[in-house]
Amino acid sequence: EDQVTQSPEALRLQEGESSSLNCSYTVSGLRGLFWYRQDPGKGPEFLFTLYSAGEEKEKERLKATLTKKESFLHITAPKPEDSATYLCAVQAGTGGGNKLTFGTGTQLKVEL
Amino acid sequence: ETGVTQSPTHLIKTRGQQVTLRCSSQSGHNTVSWYQQALGQGPQFIFQYYREEENGRGNFPPRFSGLQFPNYSSELNVNALELDDSALYLCASSWGAGGPYEQYFGPGTRLTVT
Repeated sequence: EDQVTQSPEALRLQEGESSSLNCSYTVSGLRGLFWYRQDPGKGPEFLFTLYSAGEEKEKERLKATLTKKESFLHITAPKPEDSATYLCAVQAGTGGGNKLTFGTGTQLKVEL
Repeated sequence: ETGVTQSPTHLIKTRGQQVTLRCSSQSGHNTVSWYQQALGQGPQFIFQYYREEENGRGNFPPRFSGLQFPNYSSELNVNALELDDSALYLCASSWGAGGPYEQYFGPGTRLTVT
């Protein structure tokens, strides 16, 4: 069964204090790993897709990387508006359509 | 380009009742997936529809059912509501049922069962 574990569960940073979020996964045949941002009471907002180990993608202050067992979301010089829950999800090649299996997320709070 | 929309925004139902949630997919997308998100948890896959056919189902009982229409909009129906069905229900659309395709989510429907 596909499994996704995210750590830490919660993270509090000062504005400008860089850090990384971790996503460990166990899947049979990874098709893609996805990062989403979710604000309270809203639907997840798509950030990145990573397809193979060694791949990196960047968007503003965010950079996502992928290895064979985990992915990292690096946040450089975060601002208060980066506060949200960040969700990691995997899509495996074992049927069930192209369902996403999600972790429980990392709740990020960036303070002034 | 129109994003994914869902209705209603909020809904309160009584245990044992039935509910229908609706979703309009993003323009150009032919696949709709439904997810249930309990408080403090990640979304859990319910099922997916591709070109009006169910194309994968998660570990949810048969009282969770769905439809997809020719315009690719979709409905989620839940019969015999239970207290544990209280959650945020998310619809996501994508181009294609193979993959990996990015799934774009709607704002969700908050269902409360009392």
